[in-house]
Amino acid sequence: QQQVKQSPQSLIVQKGGISIINCAYENTAFDYFPWYQQFPGKGPALLIAIRPDVSEKKEGRFTISFNKSAKQFSLHIMDSQPGDSATYFCAASKAYGASKLTFGTGTRLQVTL
Amino acid sequence: EADIYQTPRYLVIGTGKKITLECSQTMGHDKMYWYQQDPGMELHLIHYSYGVNSTEKGDLSSESTVSRIRTEHFPLTLESARPSHTSQYLCASGSTNTGELFFGEGSRLTVL
Repeated sequence: QQQVKQSPQSLIVQKGGISIINCAYENTAFDYFPWYQQFPGKGPALLIAIRPDVSEKKEGRFTISFNKSAKQFSLHIMDSQPGDSATYFCAASKAYGASKLTFGTGTRLQVTL
Repeated sequence: EADIYQTPRYLVIGTGKKITLECSQTMGHDKMYWYQQDPGMELHLIHYSYGVNSTEKGDLSSESTVSRIRTEHFPLTLESARPSHTSQYLCASGSTNTGELFFGEGSRLTVL
């Protein structure tokens, strides 16, 4: 049972373009939605996170858009750079601070020159 | 930089061997987790702990066991390794204040 569905599985974007990754969840009890970035040979690291009381959160070139009624959230990477090439995971948890995260299946992003 | 360490980083062993993957964190987090991840794939929670002497099984069934005798230490043990256990094992600790998970670099296990 996939509680957090993520798409696309892989994405190729030209340098300077916008990368968009989408996630959908089913459990309405989820109330914390982070995105993690993982480089080869490393563990995932928190990139940006949002709670359902806001519809958008922006940190530098990274923006989360959140649609509570549709149970969807997405990551937008503006002005994508080759250094952004990594695997991105969306995640969700039921209780902020409890940290028991359910992860999406991951999106492998490649930013070309 | 997160202060969470996993050893060994790479391990190749034969079927039937007992192995322990070590995980230590210096952030004083009560919450710790083990995730299993095949290369480039989804992370599956196999064990978690919310404090000393507290351990729970995760969403993915695993033949491994864990212990939490000290706050900073959360080792994972396989009593008898099999080829199906070949995978990457990621340890993480969680901040109760922010909800953020800090991951180690992983232990890549190959069972021949």
